[in-house]
Amino acid sequence: DIQMTQSPSAMSASVGDRVTITCRASQDINNFLAWFQQEPGKVPKRLIYVAAKLVSGVPSRFSGSGSGTEITLTISGLQPEDFATYYCLQHESFPFTFGPGTKVDVK
Amino acid sequence: EVQLLESGGGLVQPGGSLRLSCAASGFTFSSYDMSWVRQAPGKGLEWVSTIGGSGDNTYYADSVKGRFTISRDNSKKMLYLQVNNLRGEDTAIYYCASLGRTAAGAYWGQGTLVTVSS
Repeated sequence: DIQMTQSPSAMSASVGDRVTITCRASQDINNFLAWFQQEPGKVPKRLIYVAAKLVSGVPSRFSGSGSGTEITLTISGLQPEDFATYYCLQHESFPFTFGPGTKVDVK
Repeated sequence: EVQLLESGGGLVQPGGSLRLSCAASGFTFSSYDMSWVRQAPGKGLEWVSTIGGSGDNTYYADSVKGRFTISRDNSKKMLYLQVNNLRGEDTAIYYCASLGRTAAGAYWGQGTLVTVSS
């Protein structure tokens, strides 16, 4: 099974900050990696797929990079609506695994 | 407009059963692998099960294998999850999602809450 870790698990940031979240997989996931944003009480929303493709309608301040076992989500210029929890998901092989999440809150 | 609408959740005693349903519309349902993902209160997302577009291939998390059964009816655009022998740790919101190896979770339903308690 592929294990996913995320760092940091939580962070405090201010509007305008650059935020970087990293997911590490226990083996190569061949870019079968998606990022999701979840606000409290809301449904997860997909931001990025195949590691670096931005979902249509998602602001360009979100970007994904990396390959192999290390994939990064970057938010360039944090906005008030970006305070949320972010999850990565590997869907390269079963069982699919989500990262444990990164909660971004207000500093 | 794409819609996924789950139903069937509720309060059930330990050892009990439920059948969760997900009605799909607005996309070519039979072309998509579909999954169930759950989220326990205050916890992260957990993949539960996936079924291929034709219904021939199914996959399960170890935590539910032998107790949960995923199925679909493409003629009705419906996804199902039969959940048996429920335990307290199965308490969660259950989401259906268009998620498979080649479908990376573009569409999600609003979720249905399953509470296992005596």
